[in-house]
Amino acid sequence: DVKVTQSSRYLVKRTGEKVFLECVQDMDHENMFWYRQDPGLGLRLIYFSYDVKMKEKGDIPEGYSVSREKKERFSLILESASTNQTSMYLCASTGVSQPQHFGDGTRLSIL
Amino acid sequence: AQSVTQLGSHVSVSEGALVLLRCNYSSSVPPYLFWYVQYPNQGLQLLLKYTTGATLVKGINGFEAEFKKSETSFHLTKPSAHMSDAAEYFCAVSLGTSNTGKLIFGQGTTLQVKP
Repeated sequence: DVKVTQSSRYLVKRTGEKVFLECVQDMDHENMFWYRQDPGLGLRLIYFSYDVKMKEKGDIPEGYSVSREKKERFSLILESASTNQTSMYLCASTGVSQPQHFGDGTRLSIL
Repeated sequence: AQSVTQLGSHVSVSEGALVLLRCNYSSSVPPYLFWYVQYPNQGLQLLLKYTTGATLVKGINGFEAEFKKSETSFHLTKPSAHMSDAAEYFCAVSLGTSNTGKLIFGQGTTLQVKP
């Protein structure tokens, strides 16, 4: 079974902090994704990566950056956290022509 | 551009009743279509997918969906609801020829099952 692991289930940070969310997959997938999920808005794509060191902006990249130094790991970075970034963050991975597999999510609160 | 519309943000059914969750999509190329389920405080789990071939697709937990090209629909059904089906359901579409696996999601439908 594909395993996508997000480093934290719950995280509380303060405004202005630099925040790192980590995601690791164990299936050698080429593609990895970061979404945020807010009530009534569904899932919105922040960034995705289709290879090591490659990234593309999704629909809402502002205030975020990503890093993919190794194939199995995709990190989401909040450069200077703000309260409007309080949300559920979901990581997913997929191989070519396969469904996306999701982690359990990180519920991030910015105080 | 591709898009997905889920009709009804909340659906309530009685236990044992038919479940029908509606999904319509727009796509300029043959789509791949997916339904995902999300239980509270968890990630999304794949229920079923349509890529090519048979238009009636069976998934896990007794769910199925039918791809209707003429109606651009991919509605999710289950003959008899169970309390454990209470969750949020997402329909998604991707480009059939895409190798990035990028998905466009609907806004989700919360299913409530009443005893």
